[in-house]
Amino acid sequence: LAKTTQPISMDSYEGQEVNITCSHNNIATNDYITWYQQFPSQGPRFIIQGYKTKVTNEVASLFIPADRKSSTLSLPRVSLSDTAVYYCLVGGMRSGSARQLTFGSGTQLTVLP
Amino acid sequence: DVKVTQSSRYLVKRTGEKVFLECVQDMDHENMFWYRQDPGLGLRLIYFSYDVKMKEKGDIPEGYSVSREKKERFSLILESASTNQTSMYLCASSLEGAPEAFFGQGTRLTVV
Repeated sequence: LAKTTQPISMDSYEGQEVNITCSHNNIATNDYITWYQQFPSQGPRFIIQGYKTKVTNEVASLFIPADRKSSTLSLPRVSLSDTAVYYCLVGGMRSGSARQLTFGSGTQLTVLP
Repeated sequence: DVKVTQSSRYLVKRTGEKVFLECVQDMDHENMFWYRQDPGLGLRLIYFSYDVKMKEKGDIPEGYSVSREKKERFSLILESASTNQTSMYLCASSLEGAPEAFFGQGTRLTVV
């Protein structure tokens, strides 16, 4: 499973766009990139997944360069309620025993008023 | 909505006790996971199951075992609880081939 590296923490202010970058130099050809969000005392929640280029949903955008060795989660106009830990995961959509989900340490995003 | 239910939100057990943590999902998911989460260490995978009676060790299986006799239920067993197993335990499930995993609310286990 490809290892990921993220910043330990980031601060932002309300209304700003936040970009969290994840490095995954050993990503395999059939690996996808998935981001989760976790609030205190709750389980993580799926945000977005992509394979290449750009993916956008109602919550976030995910930018993946051509070499796929990194990815950037973009949160538009954050609010205080976006304060959470954000995890980047890299893995395949393989079946059976290869379907493990391995989380890193995540990025603590703190949104300030 | 998918629901992953863990049997207890808080548990206090004594050292040496055998502890069972239960997890049930209601969406017929093939994959189920047990994690523990400790401050500064993120989520660490203990065990994973991709089918009934099938299990795979995660990163930190020592001191734990699991059971999956039915598709909807995945149990984590602490054979002899120790204080270093005090942690938040999270269960998750996912559909085979789908990107999204669904997590339960967690069980905060304290071993005294």
